[in-house]
Amino acid sequence: NAGVTQTPKFRVLKTGQSMTLLCAQDMNHEYMYWYRQDPGMGLRLIHYSVGEGTTAKGEVPDGYNVSRLKKQNFLLGLESAAPSQTSVYFCASRAGGYNEQFFGPGTRLTVL
Amino acid sequence: RKEVEQDPGPFNVPEGATVAFNCTYSNSASQSFFWYRQDCRKEPKLLMSVYSSGNEDGRFTAQLNRASQYISLLIRDSKLSDSATYLCVVNRGNQFYFGTGTSLTVIP
Repeated sequence: NAGVTQTPKFRVLKTGQSMTLLCAQDMNHEYMYWYRQDPGMGLRLIHYSVGEGTTAKGEVPDGYNVSRLKKQNFLLGLESAAPSQTSVYFCASRAGGYNEQFFGPGTRLTVL
Repeated sequence: RKEVEQDPGPFNVPEGATVAFNCTYSNSASQSFFWYRQDCRKEPKLLMSVYSSGNEDGRFTAQLNRASQYISLLIRDSKLSDSATYLCVVNRGNQFYFGTGTSLTVIP
């Protein structure tokens, strides 16, 4: 099992460019999450999904969109990147109930 | 008020020392509780879940006090490999709330 994988690992964008981050999990988990982690801020939830075809906003959703067309994949889109979106992005998944989250290795994004 | 608050440290302790981390959470409806470990520039990984009765895993002991909304992690006989950031995590409904982490460095 690969667990949770993220593509790409690193990316540099110019202001105004768009991109999509891909998260994939092979654990048949219902729930998937996108977080960003900035120094001194901890992990903050961007969007999440409670199942295929569903999405919901988290704490910091502005400037991001998501889609969950397949159960195993959760995509995070930046339509017009801004320097404030420079961050490390983590995807996570979990089964239902009180189970813990499993994280992907992260994507380091720099917006110039 | 933040959902989860932790002392950021840093904690610098000698090998073999015992160190304790504390965490408080603001919402009494929180349902499940965890400690995660995060190494530099890596993803968080589950260290242990935390139960009201307290639980132990080798050198690690976690405690939950629901009345005080307080979570603790005790590490005994610290090893160099314990150097990392420890994240306190609280679950309520579909969402998880993270503390900013406590940095631990174990010194030879």
